[in-house]
Amino acid sequence: DVKVTQSSRYLVKRTGEKVFLECVQDMDHENMFWYRQDPGLGLRLIYFSYDVKMKEKGDIPEGYSVSREKKERFSLILESASTNQTSMYLCASSYGLAGEDEQFFGPGTRLTVL
Amino acid sequence: GQSLEQPSEVTAVEGAIVQINCTYQTSGFYGLSWYQQHDGGAPTFLSYNALDGLEETGRFSSFLSRSDSYGYLLLQELQMKDSASYFCAVRNFNKFYFGSGTKLNVKP
Repeated sequence: DVKVTQSSRYLVKRTGEKVFLECVQDMDHENMFWYRQDPGLGLRLIYFSYDVKMKEKGDIPEGYSVSREKKERFSLILESASTNQTSMYLCASSYGLAGEDEQFFGPGTRLTVL
Repeated sequence: GQSLEQPSEVTAVEGAIVQINCTYQTSGFYGLSWYQQHDGGAPTFLSYNALDGLEETGRFSSFLSRSDSYGYLLLQELQMKDSASYFCAVRNFNKFYFGSGTKLNVKP
């Protein structure tokens, strides 16, 4: 079974803190993604990576950065957390760019910024 | 830019058939995916259509018309466990854009 794990299910941080969300996949997938999910807005792509040290911005990259030093690990960084970054964060991975390219999602991290 | 539209909520009874529509606008199109998400759970992949036509996987089928920028997910023989949110997603090269989701309520 493909497994995508995220470092925390729930996280509470204060405004201005630097926040690290970690994601690990165990299927040697090329692509990894970070989304945030908010009610009524669906999933919105923050960043994705198609190879180690490679990254591309998604739709809403402002206030976020990412790091992919190893193929299996993709980190999302909130440089200075703000209350409008309170959300559910979902990590996903997929094998490649051809064919169905099914994405496998982690369980999510519910982040609250106070 | 990209935009996807799907109904926010649909209600149906156990054993019935329900269709969830998705219309999209995108600058580039590679395919349309469908995902299911139960409350508190992660989205899970259901289907992917790159070409026009119907794809069937058990009780679920997915349809795509590229000329109409339209697709739908068809769920047959509804079961209570099908109560969940369903998202369509457009693939534009190596990016995915999700709709806001359709909450399906299955009643006994």
